[in-house]
Amino acid sequence: AQSVTQPDIHITVSEGASLELRCNYSYGATPYLFWYVQSPGQGLQLLLKYFSGDTLVQGIKGFEAEFKRSQSSFNLRKPSVHWSDAAEYFCAVGANTDKLIFGTGTRLQVFP
Amino acid sequence: KAGVTQTPRYLIKTRGQQVTLSCSPISGHRSVSWYQQTPGQGLQFLFEYFSETQRNKGNFPGRFSGRQFSNSRSEMNVSTLELGDSALYLCASSLHGGTSYEQYFGPGTRLTVT
Repeated sequence: AQSVTQPDIHITVSEGASLELRCNYSYGATPYLFWYVQSPGQGLQLLLKYFSGDTLVQGIKGFEAEFKRSQSSFNLRKPSVHWSDAAEYFCAVGANTDKLIFGTGTRLQVFP
Repeated sequence: KAGVTQTPRYLIKTRGQQVTLSCSPISGHRSVSWYQQTPGQGLQFLFEYFSETQRNKGNFPGRFSGRQFSNSRSEMNVSTLELGDSALYLCASSLHGGTSYEQYFGPGTRLTVT
């Protein structure tokens, strides 16, 4: 069965520092991979996606993610975090079924 | 282009009642998926509708049902509400359905069951 693990429940960084949020997936074939962000009281906004091709994917708001098949990972990165990036981040995998399977999320706190 | 809209945004119901939530997808999108988000279980897939047909269903009891209209608008219904049904219900629309297409999420309906 497909699954997604986000090992970090809560991460705190200083504004301007770099960020890496971890995501590991379990799936037999090459999955479709997504990162979403959710601000308090809001729905989910798609940051970036990986379907195939270049394993380094650029997204919105300065985020990028790298697909590493050998590690079954799809970590999200940002070189310099802004206070407005504080939110909850969800990694998701889409497979042959018509549903997304989400990780449990990582809450990002940004200190000035 | 307008995004996904969900109504109502907030709802308070009593145990045993039923509730209907509405989702209007992005214009031109034919697929609508529903998810339940709770602190304990996270985001869980409820069902997906495409061209008025349910194509996929998650592991929820029969009290949870849905439908899609010819204009792609979708409703989900929960009957005989339980306290555990308190959650944020999110709908997502997609051009053709399936996870090979981007899903765009609405702001959600916050349901509180007392």
